[in-house]
This record gives sequence, structure tokens and C-alpha cells, in this order.
Amino acid sequence: NAGVTQTPKFQVLKTGQSMTLQCAQDMNHEYMSWYRQDPGMGLRLIHYSVGAGITDQGEVPNGYNVSRSTTEDFPLRLLSAAPSQTSVYFCASSYFGSNTEAFFGQGTRLTVV
Amino acid sequence: AQTVTQSQPEMSVQEAETVTLSCTYDTSESDYYLFWYKQPPSRQMILVIRQEAYKQQNATENRFSVNFQKAAKSFSLKISDSQLGDAAMYFCAYNLNTGNQFYFGTGTSLTVIP
Repeated sequence: NAGVTQTPKFQVLKTGQSMTLQCAQDMNHEYMSWYRQDPGMGLRLIHYSVGAGITDQGEVPNGYNVSRSTTEDFPLRLLSAAPSQTSVYFCASSYFGSNTEAFFGQGTRLTVV
Repeated sequence: AQTVTQSQPEMSVQEAETVTLSCTYDTSESDYYLFWYKQPPSRQMILVIRQEAYKQQNATENRFSVNFQKAAKSFSLKISDSQLGDAAMYFCAYNLNTGNQFYFGTGTSLTVIP
């Protein structure tokens, strides 16, 4: 089972560059989300989607863009990278419902220099 | 605001001993689920245990159990017979019944001493 596949695992960007973090899941989950993890701050929600064509902002959406054209894919775009976006990024997916387990990708460590 | 507080940034435990990680949360909702996730050095987030807020009985999964106090909004994790493989960052989280947004605490780093 592939579960949630997130690429790349590591990335270094220069300030001002743009890039897309890829996320794909093969569990037919309706709900997908992106988090960033920073030391001492836990995981914070960036954007989420409750289904294809529907996205919404989380707690820290500025500087990021998402789209959901299919159930399987939920890419996260950094429009113009800034050093403050240096973080570890996680994609997660789950069935819709508060009792369901969220399945996480293996994370992307992004460094913006 | 939805918040989760883990007041112990770091904890340590001797192998085979028991350790309790604390978590408090704040929500005005009455229907929600609580979770503990483990993050080993590999970065993978692994579900340890979950608890339904409307159930009074504390959840148990093998060596892992919770002490859920709904009125106090407290959800601590007890690890019995600690093993070296339990060393990880542990995150407390909850998920409201109105949606799928997880609210995470800042984590507790657990060291297991051989």
C-alpha cells in the first residue's frame, strides 16, 4: 500500500524561487491537508480540501497556494519562497469524519536560503 | 480559539518503566475526538491511540493508555513497560466533529534510557 506519497523529501530553494510540493494518496480519501512543522510550534494547518475542486485556508495560508483537481492529488505551491518558509511540510489525508485517522506523508524538509 | 497544550517539551524514562505525557486542550465543542501521534526520527507520523470524547471509558492499545478527563479537558498518555523504540516526539491532537481539521500540540520529545 502506497498510502500518502509526498515528494520531494528534501529541497533547498533560493529566496524568491517558486516550487510545488507534490502529494498523492491512493486510499480514496475525501479530505486532504497540508501542515508545516516548526520547532516548538507543532503542526500548523496551511490549506485543506474536502474534495475535488474544493479548497480552503487553514491557520497559516499566506505564501502558499493549493488546488485539488482530482481526489488523489493535492499539490502545495510556494509562490515566492521566503526564509520564513523554511520548515518541514506534511501532507495528510483521511476519510471525512472526526473519528478517522489522518494518514501522513513522510514530510518534506524545505530550506530557503 | 482551538488550542492544545503540551506542557512538557522533553521527558525521559528508564527502559521498562512507565511514563505519562500530559496534554490539555481548549474547545467549546462537545463532540470531538482526541489523538496521540508518534513521530520517530524517520519523521513519519504514526497514530498511537484515539479517544472519543463522548465515551467515558479510557482507550487502551497494548502498552499505551490514556487518562481522559473531559471536564478538565485533559488527555494524558501513559506508556507502560517503555521500550527503546518508544523514543520519539509525541503529539496530542483533537479533531472536531464539524470537520476534519486536526489541532496539534507542540509536542513532547521522549527519551528512553537503556
